[in-house]
Amino acid sequence: DTEVTQTPKHLVMGMTNKKSLKCEQHMGHRAMYWYKQKAKKPPELMFVYSYEKLSINESVPSRFSPECPNSSLLNLHLHALQPEDSALYLCASSRTETYEQYFGPGTRLTVT
Amino acid sequence: AQSVTQLDSQVPVFEEAPVELRCNYSSSVSVYLFWYVQYPNQGLQLLLKYLSGSTLVESINGFEAEFNKSQTSFHLRKPSVHISDTAEYFCAAFQGAQKLVFGQGTRLTINP
Repeated sequence: DTEVTQTPKHLVMGMTNKKSLKCEQHMGHRAMYWYKQKAKKPPELMFVYSYEKLSINESVPSRFSPECPNSSLLNLHLHALQPEDSALYLCASSRTETYEQYFGPGTRLTVT
Repeated sequence: AQSVTQLDSQVPVFEEAPVELRCNYSSSVSVYLFWYVQYPNQGLQLLLKYLSGSTLVESINGFEAEFNKSQTSFHLRKPSVHISDTAEYFCAAFQGAQKLVFGQGTRLTINP
């Protein structure tokens, strides 16, 4: 089973809202990732968690706040977003950082 | 120079025709190479990977890719495409221990 699940599938939020994206995997993977993908572009790495510790932050604005409560779960907390933050947010996981990554279906975020 | 270069942004082909999607990588990335496919409104699916060993790797749905060290290439091929192969295809490689970098993507369009 190589499934990564993400909720919600779609999210519309105003610029003053606070919301969270959730990601879950049950493959025993110890590395988890958040990517942002704009239309017709490749995914851009945002954060990497390795063994539940943040190991990479790609200079992401503080209005995005990641959290890894345990080895199976990854959250992305959103606050005071801008319309340009509208995108597909993808979660991925891998056995460790040097193995192939498996992606979830994504959350389509629209900021109004 | 770009780390992973996909030479064609769009490739239109007729159904049942052969196709080749080109990918070149630079010396700044490792030779752990991947092809991902993204169907409309979905996440990325791992199509195939090269980590070591045989330079020809195959996927379960008829695609294959060949690692060519001298030409720094990892082109994706399929001898006969189907309408259902219409998708965006991304070539990717590891840059450093943790970061997966993607090419700009190739949109494969199959015409009946």
